[in-house]
Amino acid sequence: GDSVTQMEGPVTLSEEAFLTINCTYTATGYPSLFWYVQYPGEGLQLLLKATKADDKGSNKGFEATYRKETTSFHLEKGSVQVSDSAVYFCALSEGDDKIIFGKGTRLHILP
Amino acid sequence: NAGVTQTPKFRILKIGQSMTLQCAQDMNHNYMYWYRQDPGMGLKLIYYSVGAGITDKGEVPNGYNVSRSTTEDFPLRLELAAPSQTSVYFCASSYQARAGNTIYFGEGSWLTVV
Repeated sequence: GDSVTQMEGPVTLSEEAFLTINCTYTATGYPSLFWYVQYPGEGLQLLLKATKADDKGSNKGFEATYRKETTSFHLEKGSVQVSDSAVYFCALSEGDDKIIFGKGTRLHILP
Repeated sequence: NAGVTQTPKFRILKIGQSMTLQCAQDMNHNYMYWYRQDPGMGLKLIYYSVGAGITDKGEVPNGYNVSRSTTEDFPLRLELAAPSQTSVYFCASSYQARAGNTIYFGEGSWLTVV
């Protein structure tokens, strides 16, 4: 079945560092891919998404490119801030109502 | 903008007690979902609904029940609480089933069973 694998955390970086959180997926067809973010004490919010191969999703300085050849959707940001500290979830949906989430990666940004 | 509203936010239950987690959305979404989030385990789908009067099991439905009498409301019932049900519960909704559609989450309900 479909699945999402993302790098385990926690990831700890200094402010202004470059961020990459890896995400790979397994799917039978052509899924849509998402990154959701969960700030402390809150629910998940959509950060960005891509619905077809080679699409790039972007929001709040974060980017991720849908790579069909490597079945990946890695999240990147050029210069992280303390306010980016959160848990990040990679997810996919493929044609039906359900969305499949990865286990989440906790990110700590140090001032 | 209310979006998806869950109540209560925090609750402590004794083993064997029952309770209902309430969820309401004001976006006229057809699809609603209940997830649980255990530490380090990501999100697991408990039940979902594609419209009023229709519900279906997700990955981990045992010990839970749902109903969907209106488009707006999707309550989750725990009949005989067990320690294994200690978790954070998230209700969510989306407009339609088409892949790529955004899911909107509530703020979560923290449940502890002792």
